[in-house]
Amino acid sequence: QQPVQSPQAVILREGEDAVINCSSSKALYSVHWYRQKHGEAPVFLMILLKGGEQKGHDKISASFNEKKQQSSLYLTASQLSYSGTYFCGTGGRYNQGGKLIFGQGTELSVKP
Amino acid sequence: GAVVSQHPSRVICKSGTSVKIECRSLDFQATTMFWYRQFPKKSLMLMATSNEGSKATYEQGVEKDKFLINHASLTLSTLTVTSAHPEDSSFYICSALVSHRALGDQPQHFGDGTRLSIL
Repeated sequence: QQPVQSPQAVILREGEDAVINCSSSKALYSVHWYRQKHGEAPVFLMILLKGGEQKGHDKISASFNEKKQQSSLYLTASQLSYSGTYFCGTGGRYNQGGKLIFGQGTELSVKP
Repeated sequence: GAVVSQHPSRVICKSGTSVKIECRSLDFQATTMFWYRQFPKKSLMLMATSNEGSKATYEQGVEKDKFLINHASLTLSTLTVTSAHPEDSSFYICSALVSHRALGDQPQHFGDGTRLSIL
């Protein structure tokens, strides 16, 4: 079942922060985050594997609450290059051969 | 590292033609590859899991006779859209997992996608 992302779209000014949420109705083994720009392939951001895990690099970080079956992506001090569509991909509890089911996406626009 | 090449990047053809799309892992071996379809402003819809040396596993609702997948080597998977019609027009993307690493613990490495337009 497809995870649900919120919000569906967000518009920011440069330097503002944003949070994108990803919720699943099924137990999760992993959560992956990707960013896709129009007409291009998705670019990997990070993977979270453990309940309660938090990861981050530069100004983008994420958390994974296994009990709540949800993950959040945090973008701080946004830059123009952050614009794109963000997808979470969820991996099943029993590691279904690396298969991911992607959310519907969150479109992020960063304006100058 | 972990580069995936997808070819062609764009194809335009007439209705009824069969089209083959290649997905190659350039600097690693990939026992498992995935094929996705994406409509404009929509999510990545998993079509099938391609496993080297065995039959592909198709997701519910995907016609296996329409979308033929062959994964004959550890670096190449192909998707053939048979007798394509305008409704098959879409953006098709492949991804690959590095062999000998835990499948669920690594990112998927995506190709650049193929934009298929059927006239």
